[in-house]
Amino acid sequence: DTGVSQDPRHKITKRGQNVTFRCDPISEHNRLYWYRQTLGQGPEFLTYFQNEAQLEKSRLLSDRFSAERPKGSFSTLEIQRTEQGDSAMYLCASSPPNRGMNTEAFFGQGTRLTVV
Amino acid sequence: AQKVTQAQTEISVVEKEDVTLDCVYETRDTTYYLFWYKQPPSGELVFLIRRNSFDEQNEISGRYSWNFQKSTSSFNFTITASQVVDSAVYFCALRQENRDDKIIFGKGTRLHILP
Repeated sequence: DTGVSQDPRHKITKRGQNVTFRCDPISEHNRLYWYRQTLGQGPEFLTYFQNEAQLEKSRLLSDRFSAERPKGSFSTLEIQRTEQGDSAMYLCASSPPNRGMNTEAFFGQGTRLTVV
Repeated sequence: AQKVTQAQTEISVVEKEDVTLDCVYETRDTTYYLFWYKQPPSGELVFLIRRNSFDEQNEISGRYSWNFQKSTSSFNFTITASQVVDSAVYFCALRQENRDDKIIFGKGTRLHILP
């Protein structure tokens, strides 16, 4: 399967602990996105990379959140000092280079985080 | 500001009925892109269709059809002869060409197809 891959699929953590999620985008997709989805809501944008450069961060991304894409391939999203409000599905998506016509993003299956 | 509104939170229809999911968007840009995604119970967002702002031609793909009307800023999705497997949450989304590259999603419509 050459789709977007996320790991782990599920994570349960105690409040105050740090967690890290990984996303492997589709090969040759230079754009990578992180979204958060809570129950009954649509995905909310968190941050966006073009290659290794982080081009935008949402105000939703507090200073406890950090994302990296060091070599322009896989990406990690770290949440420090987790809070119960961080419980959500974290979705990663990738998109190919913009060749004059914008394209859709392809999503992974997500990482469901539960903070207890 | 950019915004996507899906006014229907939840819809239930009996199998084989037709159903239309509404989507209204707001944008100041003249070039933008609209999408529909399906999210089945498994959770993965599945891309269904993309529409560019300069192409108002409606599209049909099997039992699915999409009606794009710039005059009313709407991009509605119709499923004909619905099936139980169509049960899912459907999201309408918007991306603007000349701004940040993020895709903005509506809150989704949960569709129940009853056997």
